[in-house]
Amino acid sequence: SQKIEQNSEALNIQEGKTATLTCNYTNYSPAYLQWYRQDPGRGPVFLLLIRENEKEKRKERLKVTFDTTLKQSLFHITASQPADSATYLCALVFDQAGTALIFGKGTTLSVSS
Amino acid sequence: DADVTQTPRNRITKTGKRIMLECSQTKGHDRMYWYRQDPGLGLRLIYYSFDVKDINKGEISDGYSVSRQAQAKFSLSLESAIPNQTALYFCATSDATSGLRYFGPGTRLTVT
Repeated sequence: SQKIEQNSEALNIQEGKTATLTCNYTNYSPAYLQWYRQDPGRGPVFLLLIRENEKEKRKERLKVTFDTTLKQSLFHITASQPADSATYLCALVFDQAGTALIFGKGTTLSVSS
Repeated sequence: DADVTQTPRNRITKTGKRIMLECSQTKGHDRMYWYRQDPGLGLRLIYYSFDVKDINKGEISDGYSVSRQAQAKFSLSLESAIPNQTALYFCATSDATSGLRYFGPGTRLTVT
């Protein structure tokens, strides 16, 4: 069966550490993958996109990797801050135009000071 | 001003009532979506529209209907609300090339 899984529902880390969130999938062949941030009571906000032929993308303190052999994407936040506390969603996209997309259930990150 | 707006933001209604959730966007995107979010189930697609004359069912369309009144407006209706439709509802848009979803602030719907 087809599945998309994010490593755990909740991740707790201390300020200054690197947070690593995992998105695994089975029986899918996505064209690319997106990561979103969602704060409580708000809509998700796009953060980063990585294509199947890219190994790594960076944006400020954020880094995303994509391993199509392992069928896994890792999302890293370096030097984490309490303001990074939120739910992070991965989304698999199956065509270049982004027509067909499914979301993972999300991982809630809590960064304590 | 927000690019994607939803009204109402919160709504409590009774079983059997008809209710409409409205979405407007100023992003100029042709593609609009309605998602439902439930704890533990994530975001699930209800309906989507790629232009004014195009309406498509998503993963969980039963019990819902939509209307695309204009490029900028996409409304979701629950013809006869039931308690298991209690959820957070999001409207989203995307352009025709990137697939990035731009979400509205959400409507929290409670059906008693």
